[in-house]
Amino acid sequence: GAGVSQSPSNKVTEKGKDVELRCDPISGHTALYWYRQSLGQGLEFLIYFQGNSAPDKSGLPSDRFSAERTGGSVSTLTIQRTQQEDSAVYLCASSQQGAGNTIYFGEGSWLTVV
Amino acid sequence: AQRVTQPEKLLSVFKGAPVELKCNYSYSGSPELFWYVQYSRQRLQLLLRHISRESIKGFTADLNKGETSFHLKKPFAQEEDSAMYYCALKTAGGYQKVTFGTGTKLQVIP
Repeated sequence: GAGVSQSPSNKVTEKGKDVELRCDPISGHTALYWYRQSLGQGLEFLIYFQGNSAPDKSGLPSDRFSAERTGGSVSTLTIQRTQQEDSAVYLCASSQQGAGNTIYFGEGSWLTVV
Repeated sequence: AQRVTQPEKLLSVFKGAPVELKCNYSYSGSPELFWYVQYSRQRLQLLLRHISRESIKGFTADLNKGETSFHLKKPFAQEEDSAMYYCALKTAGGYQKVTFGTGTKLQVIP
């Protein structure tokens, strides 16, 4: 596709429910990132996938959060037993390997936990 | 591990005044540095990168390896510059990873 695509764009869920957020990176991009952006706050790194390497999960805030990337392309971020503090915009980004290649961001998935 | 520090959460300047958004980094290798910008209700996008040595929308940034800084500057702020600015560092080598600072909100007062 032309850019990084995320779905759903908006999600309202009840506390305690599980949610899945999807990211379609730009074709050919080997690197994929998930970030979280809370209202008025900066970027919080969650997880990083690079090719066939083991993902860097150092940013996941708790074991309720997990992500996978199938076939080196589409990624799904799963939040189990959602809490109100999980409400945020979840951003996905992708890039090619190599010097000078920049990250391209999706528009984000707005998650509201009520 | 690499780190990017943006000491100011909010920077307010008057229109026409000079702007400097600070960014310091720590990384043992040779980094690539970037500035990203997020305008209201828009997605994060690249503003400029140090290897291009470019000026975008009047903004420039010089990599100072001695001071490990990559400050973003503009001589005369415009109202449309109001946005969230993020400094980012990309590590070298096979397992490249981009690390972002916490961001600085620039508010240009008319």
